Amino acid sequence: AQTVTQSQPEMSVQEAETVTLSCTYDTSESDYYLFWYKQPPSRQMILVIRQEAYKQQNATENRFSVNFQKAAKSFSLKISDSQLGDAAMYFCAYRRPGANSKLTFGKGITLSVRP
Amino acid sequence: DVKVTQSSRYLVKRTGEKVFLECVQDMDHENMFWYRQDPGLGLRLIYFSYDVKMKEKGDIPEGYSVSREKKERFSLILESASTNQTSMYLCASTPPRFYGYTFGSGTRLTVV
Repeated sequence: AQTVTQSQPEMSVQEAETVTLSCTYDTSESDYYLFWYKQPPSRQMILVIRQEAYKQQNATENRFSVNFQKAAKSFSLKISDSQLGDAAMYFCAYRRPGANSKLTFGKGITLSVRP
Repeated sequence: DVKVTQSSRYLVKRTGEKVFLECVQDMDHENMFWYRQDPGLGLRLIYFSYDVKMKEKGDIPEGYSVSREKKERFSLILESASTNQTSMYLCASTPPRFYGYTFGSGTRLTVV
């Protein structure tokens, strides 16, 4: 079974600084998808970024980028120029290919942003 | 935008009650999911459905059942609520080939 591990329960960053959130996963598949979701206090889960395992290039979405290390099974999220609105829980998630496959989530990390 | 609507934001129920949590999506998605979210445990899959009247158990189905009579609606049922079912419940939907789920805003259930 696939597992997703987020070992840091909490992190803090100064506004305008850069922070990296760690995630590792375990799978025997060679093709799969990885995601980072954000859950602010409003509780609405928002997709931040996704990565296809077959792509070597790291995904980027504005201030959010990933460091995908397939051999190490590592998928970290970097947030640049942190803003107060980035304060939230962040979940790393894995999905294997297949029409009816489902997401497996890590336990999440709470990010706080200091003004 | 796809919308996934959960009927209640907060619920308080008594032990032993039968509880229905409703989820409706408006984009004709085939796949729907119920997760529960607990501090330190992340999101855990309870049940999912990839078609009308189809359902499959997730990782923690005990004490729950589901119903999907129409494509847009996926109900989670607590047959006899217990205090250990106090949690946040999240519904999500997606088409079969997708890049991510669309989530509802969650129902925080308290069983007293």
